[in-house]
Amino acid sequence: DIVMTQSPDSLAVSLGERATINCKSSQSVLYSSNNKNYLAWYQQKPGQPPKLLIYWASTRESGVPVRFSGSGSGTDFTLTISSLQAEDVGVYYCQQYYSTPPNTFGQGTRLEIK
Amino acid sequence: EVQLVESGGGLVQPGGSLRLSCAASGFTFSSYAMSWVRQAPGKGLEWVSAISGSGGSTYYADSVKGRFTISRDNSKNTLYLQMNSLRAEDTAVFYCAKYRSTGFYYMDVWGKGTTVTVSS
Repeated sequence: DIVMTQSPDSLAVSLGERATINCKSSQSVLYSSNNKNYLAWYQQKPGQPPKLLIYWASTRESGVPVRFSGSGSGTDFTLTISSLQAEDVGVYYCQQYYSTPPNTFGQGTRLEIK
Repeated sequence: EVQLVESGGGLVQPGGSLRLSCAASGFTFSSYAMSWVRQAPGKGLEWVSAISGSGGSTYYADSVKGRFTISRDNSKNTLYLQMNSLRAEDTAVFYCAKYRSTGFYYMDVWGKGTTVTVSS
């Protein structure tokens, strides 16, 4: 199975500042035939289910604020929040769907306000 | 509105069984693969099981293989998870989630979850 490893485990960022979360896969999730990275990002706020933010590594889900962006290819990916808002507090997960099932998740990164 | 509502969670003794249900609405249920994802208290997300739109293909995490069975009734727009031989480590919130497509890609709709507690 593909193992997803996120860094850092937790992060504290000031309001209005940039937050960056990394995700590394144990093998490439780039499918050469269509040049797509099979990676998604989810946000989970306290007491709520996960919410899809990004898919195909960089495509923002409908309704997701433009301050959220995804980048990377192959085995290394980044979720960036360009200007942190109070409502962005929560845990963020990456998930691969290249080798699936199983859909493996990263261990999560907890984002807090500094 | 697309909606998933889980039910069936509760307190069960080790070795016991439970059946979870997930009622779907607002979309053509049979057209989409579905999954169960769980989250142990204070822990991250763990994919548990998935099923194709027709129900003909099913998949399980190694941690539940042989104990859990996923199924669906497309006439009732309902997904199920039969859980047998439950262990303390199965204690978690179980989420039902819809895949965006017929493939097992990313999950675009999630239910609020149902809590399973395995304890004597």
